[in-house]
Amino acid sequence: SQTIHQWPATLVQPVGSPLSLECTVEGTSNPNLYWYRQAAGRGLQLLFYSVGIGQISSEVPQNLSASRPQDRQFILSSKKLLLSDSGFYLCAWSVQEFTGELFFGEGSRLTVL
Amino acid sequence: GEDVEQSLFLSVREGDSSVINCTYTDSSSTYLYWYKQEPGAGLQLLTYIFSNMDMKQDQRLTVLLNKKDKHLSLRIADTQTGDSAIYFCAESGTGTYKYIFGTGTRLKVLA
Repeated sequence: SQTIHQWPATLVQPVGSPLSLECTVEGTSNPNLYWYRQAAGRGLQLLFYSVGIGQISSEVPQNLSASRPQDRQFILSSKKLLLSDSGFYLCAWSVQEFTGELFFGEGSRLTVL
Repeated sequence: GEDVEQSLFLSVREGDSSVINCTYTDSSSTYLYWYKQEPGAGLQLLTYIFSNMDMKQDQRLTVLLNKKDKHLSLRIADTQTGDSAIYFCAESGTGTYKYIFGTGTRLKVLA
């Protein structure tokens, strides 16, 4: 069966510090991978998605970046965090053949102080 | 661009029916979804409907789609306290890998 792991679950970082959130998927090959951010009252915002190794599409211009160094690994990074980067970050995957369902990780709560 | 809108809050009494509404702007949407988020957790798919359908029923859940008005609703019959959560409407289209989510509706079920 397929599983998705996301870590760390909770992170408190000072403004200006770097960020690295990691997500891995097991039990499937060549998935589409996604990073979403959930901020209070703003719903779920698509940040990045990837349809293959090294292929990243950015939806929102900001100081965040994403990388996909391996087929089932998706990393969200920042060189210098801003207060506005605080939120709940969710990684998700779907099958390449697009059967419709997105499978979500448990999320990473980032607080920037 | 694509946009999906929902009301932010809904409060119902246990045993009553809940109706959560959603409007979307992308007329090329192929799939429309309802996801549920428990506190502090990721989202889980509740149900989805193809754009060529008007209604789908799955146990206590009924999804209604009005393509003309681009309006989607989720009805939960006999709402229970365990149904308290945030419900997200989402859409995706043919030929795109993007899933666009609404703001989420926080459902509170009163005992």
